[in-house]
Amino acid sequence: ETGVTQSPTHLIKTRGQQVTLRCSSQSGHNTVSWYQQALGQGPQFIFQYYREEENGRGNFPPRFSGLQFPNYSSELNVNALELDDSALYLCASSLDPRDPEGQFFGPGTRLTVL
Amino acid sequence: EDKVVQSPLSLVVHEGDTVTLNCSYEVTNFRSLLWYKQEKKAPTFLFMLTSSGIEKKSGRLSSILDKKELFSILNITATQTGDSAIYLCAVGGAGSYQLTFGKGTKLSVIP
Repeated sequence: ETGVTQSPTHLIKTRGQQVTLRCSSQSGHNTVSWYQQALGQGPQFIFQYYREEENGRGNFPPRFSGLQFPNYSSELNVNALELDDSALYLCASSLDPRDPEGQFFGPGTRLTVL
Repeated sequence: EDKVVQSPLSLVVHEGDTVTLNCSYEVTNFRSLLWYKQEKKAPTFLFMLTSSGIEKKSGRLSSILDKKELFSILNITATQTGDSAIYLCAVGGAGSYQLTFGKGTKLSVIP
């Protein structure tokens, strides 16, 4: 059984650019949630994907968007990057969208926006 | 809006000390409270507390939930340098797809 994996590990972008982060869910998990963790803060829920559709969204602007693929892997896209987007982006997968307690986290992608 | 407040935000102790980390919360239709340990990147699950399970223990770690006063504590006895990490508290509400996290407590255990 493989765990949750994310790529890339680190990324440096400049303001205004666009970025795509990737996540492979744990084997058998059909639900993926994305969180943003700024320095000194706890993870904040961005959105959740289930059956290739957005299933819930936190307080993030539309320039944060995502996709889920038939194999349950997922992408997080951020357009028009801002300095405040610098953070650790965590992906978590679970067996059921109604079971966030059962989610397993990936190692994260550290995004730095200059 | 669900809210989680952790205290202290940081703590430095010596090996062998006992520590208590605090978590207070406000959540609509409480379902669960979870504790995670975050050493480098991925938070790893420690405990889940619910209405039917208000006390958990695993080795040197233990946690209780007070649903009336809306708080939880995480105790670590006989601390070791390997306990150095950020400890996150999160809550889940009934019908919610997400967890709401606190800012975490950064614990540093020095030899």
